[in-house]
Amino acid sequence: EVQLVESGGGLVQPGRSLRLSCGASGFTFDDYAMHWVRQPPGRGLEWVSGISWSSGDIIYADSVKGRFTTSRENAKNSLYLQMNSLRPEDTALYYCVRRGGTYSFDYWGQGTLVTVSS
Amino acid sequence: EIVLTQSPGTLSLSPGERATLSCRASQSVTNSYLAWYQQKPGQAPRLLIYGASSRASGIPDRFSGSGSGTDFALTISRLEPEDFAVYFCQHYGGSPKYSFGQGTKVEIK
Repeated sequence: EVQLVESGGGLVQPGRSLRLSCGASGFTFDDYAMHWVRQPPGRGLEWVSGISWSSGDIIYADSVKGRFTTSRENAKNSLYLQMNSLRPEDTALYYCVRRGGTYSFDYWGQGTLVTVSS
Repeated sequence: EIVLTQSPGTLSLSPGERATLSCRASQSVTNSYLAWYQQKPGQAPRLLIYGASSRASGIPDRFSGSGSGTDFALTISRLEPEDFAVYFCQHYGGSPKYSFGQGTKVEIK
């Protein structure tokens, strides 16, 4: 059974940093690209970032480019999101997602909540 | 920038009725890269349809996807109680690389 478990969320002040982690199990992690998608409370979905299986290709939404960094450790079946210079508008539930073969997201974690507030 | 616009915002229907949800792209998109998701309160989204019309694993056949170019649809042939949820369309390609529609809520009438 595919499982994605996020951790690292919490309350942080504007301008500070936070690092999210995602542990994967139930599939061959290094066969898949992985992504982060976020959802502000009560609102819709926003794609944040993605990383290829080899880490050779990493892409970001314009809203986080230059502030967030995505990485992965295939040996540990883990995905990371380093978030710097956080803003109140970054407040959201952050989902770790697996990208399927047709550029859709076929498995989602339960999310970790990030709240940026003073 | 490709913008996906879903309509209606809310669809009020009764169990057993047919639901048709629309997703319109601001420019022509590749069918292969259009997907639909279902999200229930307090849960993560679940992939329903990929490639515009292919059902994901374990998805009942009352769910179907159709469309091409700029106009896509998700149809639920007969609503079951567990189908009342929010539905999102999503596309890959262009800028941003991945985009979502704003969602359609299917509520019990």
